[in-house]
Amino acid sequence: KNEVEQSPQNLTAQEGEFITINCSYSVGISALHWLQQHPGGGIVSLFMLSSGKKKHGRLIATINIQEKHSSLHITASHPRDSAVYICAVRSNTGNQFYFGTGTSLTVIP
Amino acid sequence: KAGVTQTPRYLIKTRGQQVTLSCSPISGHRSVSWYQQTPGQGLQFLFEYFSETQRNKGNFPGRFSGRQFSNSRSEMNVSTLELGDSALYLCASGGTVETQYFGPGTRLLVL
Repeated sequence: KNEVEQSPQNLTAQEGEFITINCSYSVGISALHWLQQHPGGGIVSLFMLSSGKKKHGRLIATINIQEKHSSLHITASHPRDSAVYICAVRSNTGNQFYFGTGTSLTVIP
Repeated sequence: KAGVTQTPRYLIKTRGQQVTLSCSPISGHRSVSWYQQTPGQGLQFLFEYFSETQRNKGNFPGRFSGRQFSNSRSEMNVSTLELGDSALYLCASGGTVETQYFGPGTRLLVL
């Protein structure tokens, strides 16, 4: 069983749509990260969360520690948002990083 | 400020060989982490160094090792390469304990 589960695995949206990507985890965590990976491999860290909600431009990330669940929302999606979004958690025992398998997002103009 | 740099960017090796990958973190960062990414397993954590000390280690065999130098540059070594070691190896440096800035990766192909 994976420590981090993401859904959906693949997502296609029309430009302008509101997008939600979900992440559930099974371990106790000290922090959760949302990462963005574009074709070619480069990874950008979007958010680091330990509680509540963070917003950066059109991106919003929320976390519910009790439910062990996080969501990444993209408002007014744009083709340049097309990428793989990866949820990662740092466990609070052993300090390990665990990764979801990623959500591949394609935004069509 | 220059970003995280990794060298080499691409590498081809044969089974049984060993390989050393290098990572230079962002200036001032003392934490360096290494990750392996494969199509089958996705991203997996290898190890994390802070001030020349290995702070955490993922679930990889002893063939995978690393070290960090006093200037925070880090190297990882894989000995006795196997076909399954073909992957993108990513390094990330941290300005704080949790903030991660990723390098472009080294793509290793083992034949």
